[in-house]
Amino acid sequence: SQTIHQWPATLVQPVGSPLSLECTVEGTSNPNLYWYRQAAGRGLQLLFYSVGIGQISSEVPQNLSASRPQDRQFILSSKKLLLSDSGFYLCAWSPELLPETQYFGPGTRLLVL
Amino acid sequence: AQSVTQLGSHVSVSEGALVLLRCNYSSSVPPYLFWYVQYPNQGLQLLLKYTSAATLVKGINGFEAEFKKSETSFHLTKPSAHMSDAAEYFCAVSDHFGNEKLTFGTGTRLTIIP
Repeated sequence: SQTIHQWPATLVQPVGSPLSLECTVEGTSNPNLYWYRQAAGRGLQLLFYSVGIGQISSEVPQNLSASRPQDRQFILSSKKLLLSDSGFYLCAWSPELLPETQYFGPGTRLLVL
Repeated sequence: AQSVTQLGSHVSVSEGALVLLRCNYSSSVPPYLFWYVQYPNQGLQLLLKYTSAATLVKGINGFEAEFKKSETSFHLTKPSAHMSDAAEYFCAVSDHFGNEKLTFGTGTRLTIIP
């Protein structure tokens, strides 16, 4: 069966510091991968998605970037965090042949101080 | 472009009562529709999905949803609420097969009153 991992689970970072969040999927090949942000009291905002290694689509211009160095690894980064980057970051994957059905990881809670 | 509207950001029901969470969609083509549940500090879990087969879809934890094209709705129901159903529920739409992006509603927080 497929599983999705995210780490760290929680993170407290000062403003201006760098960020690296990692997401990995097991038990599948060539998945579509997604990064979402969920701010307090709001819905889900799609940040990036990827249909293959090195292929990244950005949905919202911002302080963040994403990379997919391996088939089942998706990384969310920032060079300098802003207070507004605080939130709950969710990684998701969907099967190559059923891309409309997404499965979510446990999330990373980021607090920027 | 597709969109989803969830009516009621907060819904409270008594334990044992009917749960009804509303979702209306807008799509220019026959949609695929989804309900997800999120427990506090966790990721989203797929409850059920409609992909143009049976209009009444049964999901996990006793939930079901009915696709009504004439009403552009996909409301989520459960006959008898349990305390463990307290969570946030998200409706989502994909506008066609093979589309890798979902559009989510803003969510409905369900509270169960003992």
